[in-house]
Amino acid sequence: AQSVTQLGSHVSVSEGALVLLRCNYSSSVPPYLFWYVQYPNQGLQLLLKYTSAATLVKGINGFEAEFKKSETSFHLTKPSAHMSDAAEYFCAVSASGAGSYQLTFGKGTKLSVIP
Amino acid sequence: DADVTQTPRNRITKTGKRIMLECSQTKGHDRMYWYRQDPGLGLRLIYYSFDVKDINKGEISDGYSVSRQAQAKFSLSLESAIPNQTALYFCATSDWGAGDSNEQFFGPGTRLTVL
Repeated sequence: AQSVTQLGSHVSVSEGALVLLRCNYSSSVPPYLFWYVQYPNQGLQLLLKYTSAATLVKGINGFEAEFKKSETSFHLTKPSAHMSDAAEYFCAVSASGAGSYQLTFGKGTKLSVIP
Repeated sequence: DADVTQTPRNRITKTGKRIMLECSQTKGHDRMYWYRQDPGLGLRLIYYSFDVKDINKGEISDGYSVSRQAQAKFSLSLESAIPNQTALYFCATSDWGAGDSNEQFFGPGTRLTVL
């Protein structure tokens, strides 16, 4: 079984401030981890993914996330928020190994950027 | 051109009506998925298909059925729509092979309102 918890359904930051969106997961096998972003009235777009190659993963638009096995976390960060970052962000986990298929999503965190 | 397309993009219908949502993909992926998104609940899996002859129920399949007409086409039907099926519906695809992470690619979504 696998699950994802995103802390904070809404996060507000000032433009230029650090963005930190939290994600904790549980998985009985080594996981693959993802962050997706959903802009208003659009589908989900992959920001970045962890597939065990490196614990610090860099994604698009200046975002990055660090896989910490001891903390079962995969928090998303960006050093300086931009107005265009306002969106909803979803963390997701997929179990590795043969037969794995399901992508389990967190409930999402809506990011607001204050000018 | 979009890799994963959904039709219609918006639909308003009445309780008891039969509705079909369609998904097509040009990515050549074997696996296709249907999710629904509700505010504050994230994405939940309705059905998934590994190939044309393989269809499986997801977390919330009651009240829904699917058809995989071809590798590229996967339709979701609501046999008798009810108001609590009002939601945003997403189709997704993924490829699978050795080392693949089950990264999924999403369509733009269909907003369904059941009155």
